[in-house]
Amino acid sequence: DAEITQSPRHKITETGRQVTLACHQTWNHNNMFWYRQDLGHGLRLIHYSYGVHDTNKGEVSDGYSVSRSNTEDLPLTLESAASSQTSVYFCASSESPLNTGELFFGEGSRLTVL
Amino acid sequence: DQQVKQNSPSLSVQEGRISILNCDYTNSMFDYFLWYKKYPAEGPTFLISISSIKDKNEDGRFTVFLNKSAKHLSLHIVPSQPGDSAVYFCAASVNAGKSTFGDGTTLTVKP
Repeated sequence: DAEITQSPRHKITETGRQVTLACHQTWNHNNMFWYRQDLGHGLRLIHYSYGVHDTNKGEVSDGYSVSRSNTEDLPLTLESAASSQTSVYFCASSESPLNTGELFFGEGSRLTVL
Repeated sequence: DQQVKQNSPSLSVQEGRISILNCDYTNSMFDYFLWYKKYPAEGPTFLISISSIKDKNEDGRFTVFLNKSAKHLSLHIVPSQPGDSAVYFCAASVNAGKSTFGDGTTLTVKP
């Protein structure tokens, strides 16, 4: 079955370290997204991609970067982790061209920055 | 400015009764609206959607109503079951692109 997987599921790091969260999907979807969820908040968009070599900033992109070198993967990098980036991160993908925009989510990666 | 709002952080209903979850939006460009369900320690899963050209979409126990003039949508669950207890997120998109989410409503269905 097609799926979307995130790794690691849990990560503890220190302030200032570089961290990369992996996202791999086998749906062959062109669209991929990274969201973060904080307590009491919904999902806020960090970065997204509509295809290979395409990346776009979301509403909370500061301190994060992504690259899309193939259809299956969209890794999220925190260049210098900050305590404010402690959160649960969700990767998602969706089909294109136009459709309902239904997102398929990974299980999430819980990141703690000490 | 939050474009998608779920003003009720929590809702508690009795098993068998109707659950009504509400969502308001401000961006008139949104043309697709979706509801997601999320259990603890899991990713959100798609529940039901509605296009802006419709005012109602039904799927089993779940019905979504859209009132474009009021920029309001609601999710009805009838009858509610204990397994429906979860966080429900409302989301909206333009041309099926990136989705904007509300803060979620925690639904508790009591046996």
